[in-house]
Amino acid sequence: DAGVIQSPRHEVTEMGQEVTLRCKPISGHNSLFWYRQTMMRGLELLIYFNNNVPIDDSGMPEDRFSAKMPNASFSTLKIQPSEPRDSAVYFCASSIGQDSKATQYFGPGTRLTVL
Amino acid sequence: AQSVTQLDSQVPVFEEAPVELRCNYSSSVSVYLFWYVQYPNQGLQLLLKYLSGSTLVESINGFEAEFNKSQTSFHLRKPSVHISDTAEYFCAVSKGGGSNYKLTFGKGTLLTVNP
Repeated sequence: DAGVIQSPRHEVTEMGQEVTLRCKPISGHNSLFWYRQTMMRGLELLIYFNNNVPIDDSGMPEDRFSAKMPNASFSTLKIQPSEPRDSAVYFCASSIGQDSKATQYFGPGTRLTVL
Repeated sequence: AQSVTQLDSQVPVFEEAPVELRCNYSSSVSVYLFWYVQYPNQGLQLLLKYLSGSTLVESINGFEAEFNKSQTSFHLRKPSVHISDTAEYFCAVSKGGGSNYKLTFGKGTLLTVNP
């Protein structure tokens, strides 16, 4: 199994530019999570999808952030326009079911730097 | 809402020494508890979890954690560490029962094993 795949692994962009992060969950998993990891705030849940439907987006910082899951094998997290304070590592994770008992499998992350 | 406190941000130890990484949580309801490990430049991986039953849970690589309800703790221990255990360790909690998907993570503890 390839695991959760994220691209790009590293992204450096300038303030004001649009950034799109991509995620392919593990085949057969029906829950998908986007997290952001920073030194100051640790690991924060941004948005949770179940069966391709956004269930909880209360962690999305502001309107500049949006996420989609057009099908069971692909999700995007978009930041438009990007700001330096968005610099962080963004993780995608997937699991089976809708219960926190299920193990979440994390991708390797995308390290975003906004100059 | 649940919260997690990892009391030590960094723990340096020598190889073959015992180690304990501390985790305390706050919750007014029953909980599930998790330890995840993050090796350099990788995503998080589940190390072990407590859902119910025996309060002592073990991982395949020699770590163990004990759920202590009265002290609201879930400390992680290993009697003899290896260089390869160097990583960041995250404690996480979720509300038990029902369709609860949200994990709340601690800030992490960086374990550094020195020769």
